[in-house]
Amino acid sequence: EVQLLEYGGGLAQPGGSLRLSCAASGFTFTDYVMNWVRQAPGKGLEWVSLISGSGGSTYYADSVKGRFTISRDNSKNTLYLQLNSLRAEDTAIYYCAAGPRVNEYHFDYWGQGTLVTVSS
Amino acid sequence: SYVLIQPPSLSVAPGKTARITCGGNNIGSKSVHWYQQKPGQAPVLVVYDDSDRPSGIPERFSGFNSGNTATLTISRVEAGDEADYYCQVWDTSSDHGVFGGGTKLTVL
Repeated sequence: EVQLLEYGGGLAQPGGSLRLSCAASGFTFTDYVMNWVRQAPGKGLEWVSLISGSGGSTYYADSVKGRFTISRDNSKNTLYLQLNSLRAEDTAIYYCAAGPRVNEYHFDYWGQGTLVTVSS
Repeated sequence: SYVLIQPPSLSVAPGKTARITCGGNNIGSKSVHWYQQKPGQAPVLVVYDDSDRPSGIPERFSGFNSGNTATLTISRVEAGDEADYYCQVWDTSSDHGVFGGGTKLTVL
């Protein structure tokens, strides 16, 4: 059974940092690209970042580029998102999502999400 | 950046057919994927690559994509289909994922 378990969310101050993690199991981790997708309270889904199976390629939404860093440790089947210079508008549930290595990515498996709240 | 437009809401009676649209410039040239999200839950992929269904998704869910509009069709709607539905594409020109704003499906 595929499982994605996010953790590391919580309360952070504006300008502060957090590190999110996503532990994967039930599938061959390196065969999948991994993503972070977020959802602000009462709002829609927003794609945040993608990392290739090897970790050699990364992509970011314009809203987080230069502030967030995606990475993965394939020896630990774990995905990360380092959030720096946090803003109030970064408040959201952050989901990790796995998808196949195709040209036009989609997201087959999702975790239950971890809540990030940015407030003073 | 690429934009996907969905109607905010749609209401359908049980047993009828729901058609949820997703508009985008020449979206027919892209692969469109659809997700269902029920309150308090993570999204679930229901259609990928315009019209394919993941295992476990009922045949009542189907998709079509042409021109400037993609459509998710839910036949014989049930109370359990009440949810938010999102379309999604990967914009290869910018290497960005893009979601539509979502459509709230209400089963009357």
